[in-house]
Amino acid sequence: DQQVKQNSPSLSVQEGRISILNCDYTNSMFDYFLWYKKYPAEGPTFLISISSIKDKNEDGRFTVFLNKSAKHLSLHIVPSQPGDSAVYFCAASGAGNMLTFGGGTRLMVKP
Amino acid sequence: NAGVMQNPRHLVRRRGQEARLRCSPMKGHSHVYWYRQLPEEGLKFMVYLQKENIIDESGMPKERFSAEFPKEGPSILRIQQVVRGDSAAYFCASSPPTGSHEQYFGPGTRLTVT
Repeated sequence: DQQVKQNSPSLSVQEGRISILNCDYTNSMFDYFLWYKKYPAEGPTFLISISSIKDKNEDGRFTVFLNKSAKHLSLHIVPSQPGDSAVYFCAASGAGNMLTFGGGTRLMVKP
Repeated sequence: NAGVMQNPRHLVRRRGQEARLRCSPMKGHSHVYWYRQLPEEGLKFMVYLQKENIIDESGMPKERFSAEFPKEGPSILRIQQVVRGDSAAYFCASSPPTGSHEQYFGPGTRLTVT
């Protein structure tokens, strides 16, 4: 059972435009959500997170939105840059500290 | 301020051999987590350790896999009698002792079983 899902395996965006990556979860016990970026042959790099008591968190070009009633979160990157091309993972955390990851979305930003 | 260190970066083992993967957490971090990533999949939690204690091993296969985080030295993930299905990228992450949800990952060890 996949508790965290990223339904789009890939996304292609023009440089300068907005990238929107989506994530859905099923477990209502999750209370913290994170986004990681991963390049090939490297470990995931933490990008931004949000607590379940908030609905938005912003850090520079990155904004995460959380809709608890829909069990949905999204990561907005604006403006998108070619260096943003990577695989993005959504992750969720509950009481147990462990992270449950989605399957990832490959973002390609075209110059 | 060194990040999470993992070694080796690449490890090749024949079926039946043992694999030992090492992880040194970030300075000041006392919580260590191991995750496995199979090709074209997301990361899957294996085990959560604090110094000298296994806190949660619910994601660890019951046989052949073990993990430790001794008082001194790195955390070790040990896989005995490896099989081809163990081929994957193994990532270690660490977090500070203050209950932070953010985990910081190492570069991973790519295990290939031939």
